[in-house]
Amino acid sequence: DVKVTQSSRYLVKRTGEKVFLECVQDMDHENMFWYRQDPGLGLRLIYFSYDVKMKEKGDIPEGYSVSREKKERFSLILESASTNQTSMYLCASSLPARWADTQYFGPGTRLTVL
Amino acid sequence: TQLLEQSPQFLSIQEGENLTVYCNSSSVFSSLQWYRQEPGEGPVLLVTVVTGGEVKKLKRLTFQFGDARKDSSLHITAAQPGDTGLYLCAGVKIIQGAQKLVFGQGTRLTINP
Repeated sequence: DVKVTQSSRYLVKRTGEKVFLECVQDMDHENMFWYRQDPGLGLRLIYFSYDVKMKEKGDIPEGYSVSREKKERFSLILESASTNQTSMYLCASSLPARWADTQYFGPGTRLTVL
Repeated sequence: TQLLEQSPQFLSIQEGENLTVYCNSSSVFSSLQWYRQEPGEGPVLLVTVVTGGEVKKLKRLTFQFGDARKDSSLHITAAQPGDTGLYLCAGVKIIQGAQKLVFGQGTRLTINP
């Protein structure tokens, strides 16, 4: 079974702090994604990566950056956390679209910025 | 901009009733997916519909893709308490060889015993 793990289930940070959210997948997937989920808005794509060291902006990249130094690990970075970044963050991974269409999601990190 | 409009956003019905959730867009997608999310977990894929007019069944769940590949519906027959959860539709676009998903707002479904 595909397993996508996220470093923390719950995280509380203060405004202005630098925040790292880590995601690891164990299925050798090329593609990895970071979403945020807010009530009434569904999931919105922040960034995705289709290969090591490659990244593409999603729909809401402002205030975020990402790092993918190894194939299995995709990190989301909040350079200076703000209260409007309080949200549920979900990581996902998948094979390239030509092979499969399923994204596998981690359990999420609920981030609160005070 | 929300490209996929999902309705209703909340639905609470009694066990045994039928229900339909709708997902509408002005955009055409290469395919459309439906996910279900339980509390404390990430979404899990239920089905992918690819061809305009396609109908797929998963036990008591029936998924339909519109002829123009812009809208979809999920119909549940004889709902059970175990169907309770958040249902999400997602349009699929292919960018750089990766599936980019555009999600609807979600439908929080509660089935009362």
